[in-house]
Amino acid sequence: NAGVTQTPKFQVLKTGQSMTLQCAQDMNHEYMSWYRQDPGMGLRLIHYSVGAGITDQGEVPNGYNVSRSTTEDFPLRLLSAAPSQTSVYFCASRLAGVRGAYNEQFFGPGTRLTVL
Amino acid sequence: AQSVTQLDSHVSVSEGTPVLLRCNYSSSYSPSLFWYVQHPNKGLQLLLKYTSAATLVKGINGFEAEFKKSETSFHLTKPSAHMSDAAEYFCVAAGSDSWGKLQFGAGTQVVVTP
Repeated sequence: NAGVTQTPKFQVLKTGQSMTLQCAQDMNHEYMSWYRQDPGMGLRLIHYSVGAGITDQGEVPNGYNVSRSTTEDFPLRLLSAAPSQTSVYFCASRLAGVRGAYNEQFFGPGTRLTVL
Repeated sequence: AQSVTQLDSHVSVSEGTPVLLRCNYSSSYSPSLFWYVQHPNKGLQLLLKYTSAATLVKGINGFEAEFKKSETSFHLTKPSAHMSDAAEYFCVAAGSDSWGKLQFGAGTQVVVTP
């Protein structure tokens, strides 16, 4: 298994440009999510999906869009990049679980995005 | 609302000495709790998880954590630090919603000196 893969690893954008961060997993996990990591703030949830065709917002969704047409893929779109979106982005996936016995999340290697 | 507090933003230890990383959570129920490690420029790797079975949880690389409900704590320990333990560590709790949304602590940076 390749696990969770992300492309690209690095990206530089100019303000106002759009782009898509790719995420794929080959573990047949129902749940997938996108986080951003900023210094001193841990990871914050952007969007998540509990299955193909089902997505929802996390705590910092503004400026980002997602879709989930297949179980394997969960792309993140930046609609009009802003310097505040400079961050490291992580995609993650896991099997569904139940309260008190949630399964671990598997994280991708991350995408370092700089917006000038 | 659930929250996770890591009590130390930086911890410095000498190689061969014990490591203690402190984590408190606030929740109205017993959550699923995790410790993840992140080495520089890498993704997050699971060290261990607690899911309401044994309160003392053993993980990879000699780490273990103890769940104490009365203290709402889930501290991470290792008896003897190795240079390769230098990394950032995150305490994470699974949320109260049906999806199990994760709540991350702010992280603890561990420095290991020779």
